[in-house]
This record gives sequence, C-alpha cells and structure tokens, in this order.
Amino acid sequence: NAGVTQTPKFQVLKTGQSMTLQCAQDMNHEYMSWYRQDPGMGLRLIHYSVGAGITDQGEVPNGYNVSRSTTEDFPLRLLSAAPSQTSVYFCASSQGADTQYFGPGTRLTVL
Amino acid sequence: KQEVTQIPAALSVPEGENLVLNCSFTDSAIYNLQWFRQDPGKGLTSLLLIQSSQREQTSGRLNASLDKSSGRSTLYIAASQPGDSATYLCAVYGQNFVFGPGTRLSVLP
Repeated sequence: NAGVTQTPKFQVLKTGQSMTLQCAQDMNHEYMSWYRQDPGMGLRLIHYSVGAGITDQGEVPNGYNVSRSTTEDFPLRLLSAAPSQTSVYFCASSQGADTQYFGPGTRLTVL
Repeated sequence: KQEVTQIPAALSVPEGENLVLNCSFTDSAIYNLQWFRQDPGKGLTSLLLIQSSQREQTSGRLNASLDKSSGRSTLYIAASQPGDSATYLCAVYGQNFVFGPGTRLSVLP
C-alpha cells in the first residue's frame, strides 16, 4: 500500500493564481481531511469528508474548496491564492475516528 | 470549542533519561486521543491511540495515559535515545480531530 500520497511536494504561486493540491489514499478510508500547519499554530483543520459526496468545513475553510467524487481522492483547491495561505498542507485519512494516516505534505509559498 | 495545549513547548534531555510529555484538552466529550511524532520536514506518524474508555496504551518504550475527566494525557518515553528527537503532537477526536501545538524534543548523545 502507498498509504496517503500528496502532490506536488513544493509549489510557488503568485497572488491571485489558483491551483489544486492532490491527495489520494489506497486504504479505503471513509474519513479524509486537509490541514494546514503554521509555525506556532499547530495543525488546523481546513475541510474534511466522511465519504464520497460528503464534505464539510473545518476551522479555517475560507479561500479553499474541496470535493470528494471517489473514496480515494480528496483534492484541495485554492481559488485565488493570497500570501496568508503560505503554509505546509497535510492530507490525512482514517477509518472513522481510528488512527489517522498522514501524507508527506505540500509546502506552498504565495508571493 | 475544543482547545488542546501541550507542555512543555520544547525539551532537551541527555540520552537515557525517562521523560513525560503533557497534553491537556478543554472538552472531555472525546472518542479518543492520539499521540503523533513529526520529524522535521515530514508528515505525522501515529504512535498511540487511546480510546475514551481506556486508561492507557503501551508500545515498546512508549506509554500513554488518559484521564478524560480531568482533560489530561501524558506520553511517557522510557530510556530516551537520540532517535527519539522529533516533535510530538497530541490530538483529540470529538466532532473532529483537534491538535495541540506540539512538544519539540531533543535527546542529546
């Protein structure tokens, strides 16, 4: 099993550009989520999904969109990038409230 | 709103010491608590998961306890090694996963 994979590993954007961060898991997990990690702030939940076709907002959803058309994939879209979205983004999956498995992260810089 | 804190923020110890990391949470209505390890520039790796009905879990040199009523968990690391150097995060699951800010541990040879 590959576990949770994320692409790209690094990305630099200009303010106003849009992009999609990809996340996939091969463990047939129902629960998938996106976090951002900023120095001194810990991990903060952006969006999450409890199954295909079901998504909901987390603590910091503004400026981000998600969709879940399959069990395996959970992409995160930045609609119009802002410098405040410079961060490290992690995708995670789990079977309900069980152990969470994290991807390696995407380091995003917005200029 | 659930809030999770971790003390200390950073810790430096000589190799071989036993140490305790602390995690506190404000809302005791949780399903479980997890401890993770994060190495620099990497993702998080789950170490231990304690269900709300459990008092502790053990894995090798790691032991985690949970006192749900007081909103506290501790991670005990026995006979620390330089390879244990990392950031340790706790997370509670209620409506969602909420993470603490982490404790940065350095174990000196």
